[in-house]
Amino acid sequence: AQSVTQLGSHVSVSEGALVLLRCNYSSSVPPYLFWYVQYPNQGLQLLLKYTSAATLVKGINGFEAEFKKSETSFHLTKPSAHMSDAAEYFCAVRRGGTSYGKLTFGQGTILTVHP
Amino acid sequence: DAEITQSPRHKITETGRQVTLACHQTWNHNNMFWYRQDLGHGLRLIHYSYGVQDTNKGEVSDGYSVSRSNTEDLPLTLESAASSQTSVYFCARATDEAFFGQGTRLTVV
Repeated sequence: AQSVTQLGSHVSVSEGALVLLRCNYSSSVPPYLFWYVQYPNQGLQLLLKYTSAATLVKGINGFEAEFKKSETSFHLTKPSAHMSDAAEYFCAVRRGGTSYGKLTFGQGTILTVHP
Repeated sequence: DAEITQSPRHKITETGRQVTLACHQTWNHNNMFWYRQDLGHGLRLIHYSYGVQDTNKGEVSDGYSVSRSNTEDLPLTLESAASSQTSVYFCARATDEAFFGQGTRLTVV
């Protein structure tokens, strides 16, 4: 069984500040990990994914995440927040292999960016 | 993702009615999925299909069914709608990563 915990349902930062969204996972097998972003009234858009290659993963819009097996973490960061980053962010995990699309999601973190 | 079309985008129905939500994809992918999104729960998998005539139950399948008669479509049916099924429903296609539709907001009154 797999699970995902996102620490903090709401995160607020100032424009230009570091963004850090926390994600811890539990998986009995090597996981594939994902971060998605959701803007209001829209579907989910993939930010980045970890699939057992490089542990530091770069995504779209300046976001990156680091897979740390010893800490079972996959935190999302961005050096400098922009107003357009305000959205809800979801961390998700799935088993490797052919379990395509069978994702387990965290509860989500709403990011607010202040001017 | 414009490649996955969900309809309707919004629907209000009454308790006990049968409701079908449509999902159509233009990529001819075998793997299609239905999720529901609820506050505090993220997204949870309802049903999925890995090809024509293949359907599988997900984490929260009770009260829902799907059918897969062709590659492009995976309709989700609520057999007898309940207030607990008020939610936002997302269809997705996936290989290594999942791509989601725009969602259907369903309200059961």
